[in-house]
Amino acid sequence: SYVLTQPPSVSVAPGKTARLTCGGTNIRSKSVNWYQQKPGQGPVLLIYYDTDRPSGIPERFSGASSGNTATLTISRVAAGDEANYYCQVWDSSSYQVVFGGGTKLTVL
Amino acid sequence: QITLKESGPSLVKPTQTLTLTCTFSGFSLNTGGVSVGWVRQPPGKALEWLALIYWDDDKRYSPSLKTRLTVTKDTSNKQVFLTLTSVDPLDTATYYCAHRREYCSGGACEAFDFWGPGTLVTVSS
Repeated sequence: SYVLTQPPSVSVAPGKTARLTCGGTNIRSKSVNWYQQKPGQGPVLLIYYDTDRPSGIPERFSGASSGNTATLTISRVAAGDEANYYCQVWDSSSYQVVFGGGTKLTVL
Repeated sequence: QITLKESGPSLVKPTQTLTLTCTFSGFSLNTGGVSVGWVRQPPGKALEWLALIYWDDDKRYSPSLKTRLTVTKDTSNKQVFLTLTSVDPLDTATYYCAHRREYCSGGACEAFDFWGPGTLVTVSS
């Protein structure tokens, strides 16, 4: 089955840019979604279809995908961005929703 | 405005069957391209996809849990149900239901755009 690999943790200083990766075989051929989950809360859709933002999501959040890696970029990181971030795809060969293991973003 | 809310028992004994209900509003599960999914999250762990049910009653399940899961819907009452048989303490988790929208034609471009608040289910004797 298809596997998505995310680094367990990423740390970044306030005001800097965070880049969170999501690895998968030929992930560029799939539509990648990103979710943010803050402690004690449910997931929130941040990015869909690789690069698109739902209404209400700040432009500081952007997505990209190339080769075997999708990337969520968070610009001008603030303390309120501390959360777990999950990537997700649909594996059409096995008809499964697949989530990555999540990355905990820490703002230093 | 789309909303979803999960309901069900907070405590279940091992070997019993767990049934959860997702009650939603703001959309119809009769609309083409719409589906509802179930996702769970054990305490301190990652999200795990469980099942999907589509507007046309097509269903998909996580391969690792397929033999224990059943998803059904009651479109007129705007509810989706998830049944998990033979529960074990490892099934202790927060269970979420979510609305899934198709963002392009041709499929394979859906995302969970609205989520319920989740319901914590503990499996313990």
